[in-house]
Amino acid sequence: DQQVKQNSPSLSVQEGRISILNCDYTNSMFDYFLWYKKYPAEGPTFLISISSIKDKNEDGRFTVFLNKSAKHLSLHIVPSQPGDSAVYFCAASARGTSGSRLTFGEGTQLTVNP
Amino acid sequence: ETGVTQSPTHLIKTRGQQVTLRCSSQSGHNTVSWYQQALGQGPQFIFQYYREEENGRGNFPPRFSGLQFPNYSSELNVNALELDDSALYLCASSRTPHEQYFGPGTRLTVT
Repeated sequence: DQQVKQNSPSLSVQEGRISILNCDYTNSMFDYFLWYKKYPAEGPTFLISISSIKDKNEDGRFTVFLNKSAKHLSLHIVPSQPGDSAVYFCAASARGTSGSRLTFGEGTQLTVNP
Repeated sequence: ETGVTQSPTHLIKTRGQQVTLRCSSQSGHNTVSWYQQALGQGPQFIFQYYREEENGRGNFPPRFSGLQFPNYSSELNVNALELDDSALYLCASSRTPHEQYFGPGTRLTVT
């Protein structure tokens, strides 16, 4: 039961253009969403998050949008830079008694071409 | 860099053996979570420790066990290793309920 899905295994964009990474979820108990970036041989690096009480959060070149009715979120990177090339993971968590576990998607490999 | 460290970086074990992985959390973080990341997949939650008590467990068998120490560092122990246990094991520490900061991981290969 894949509760968080990233349907695009890979995405390729030109430097300076917008990168849009998408994520869908099925569990309506999720109330907090995060994006992580991962380079080879490193652990995931936290990028940006959003609470379910908001529909947008912005941090520099990164913006996350949340559409609760569609159970969909997206990460926009503008402008994209070659150093952004990495695997991006969407993750979600739910308040509960069993700790704040993160449920991850499968990841999207972003390649930004110079 | 998150301040979360893990050891060892890599190790190779034989099926049936036991392994212990270690994690030092970021200063001020009292919660440690462990994840398993198989090749080509996202990390899967194993369990979480808060103030030395297990605080949630994922769908992993009892041969996966852990500890958290008073300084909030943590260990992951896996008994009776199986070939499918080959993966990257990630430790994450946190101070707030949701935002978790990951270490570089330990790459375990079971032959």
